Amino acid sequence: EIVLTQSPGTLSLSPGERATLSCRASQSVSSSYLAWYQQKPGQAPRLLIYGASSRATGIPDRFSGSGSGTDFTLTISRLEPEDFAVYYCQQYGSSSFTFGPGTKVDIK
Amino acid sequence: EVQLVESGGGLVQPGGSLRLSCAASGFTFSSYEMNWVRQAPGKGLEWVSYISSSGSTIYYADSVKGRFTISRDNAKNSLYLQMNSLRAEDTAVYYCARGVPNLSWGQGTLVTVSS
Repeated sequence: EIVLTQSPGTLSLSPGERATLSCRASQSVSSSYLAWYQQKPGQAPRLLIYGASSRATGIPDRFSGSGSGTDFTLTISRLEPEDFAVYYCQQYGSSSFTFGPGTKVDIK
Repeated sequence: EVQLVESGGGLVQPGGSLRLSCAASGFTFSSYEMNWVRQAPGKGLEWVSYISSSGSTIYYADSVKGRFTISRDNAKNSLYLQMNSLRAEDTAVYYCARGVPNLSWGQGTLVTVSS
């Protein structure tokens, strides 16, 4: 089973700042089958990025994904008030679609 | 509009069973892979199970293998999760999710395993 590690656990930033979130896999993720989700309190998660770098429908271009192999990054170029949430990475390149533990982005 | 509505959650004793359902609408259900994902109170997301569009391919997380069974009825646009031998650590909100990766999610149904 591929284990995903996310860092940092919590990121405290101000609106307008840049956020850089990391996701590291215990082994190479096949064909960059890596997704990012956003979850706000009391809501279901929302798909942001798939295939490591492709934005899902309706996702603003301030969200971008990069990486391959075992190291992946989600970047939010300028934080908007609605971006403060928990972010999860997920790999879906094997027969066990594991999630990372999440990174909470909160207001500084 | 894509809609996924889970039902069947509730309070069950350890060792008991529960069957969750997910009613799908707004898309061609038979064309999509489906998943169950859960989230324990205050914790992160845990993928539980996957089923292909035809139902011919199924995967489970190690934590539920041998206890949970995923199935679907494409004629009824419905996804199911039969949960047996439930444990306290199975307490969570259970979401059904469309596609791989998970394009759309329901609002979840809470399962509480407690005596």
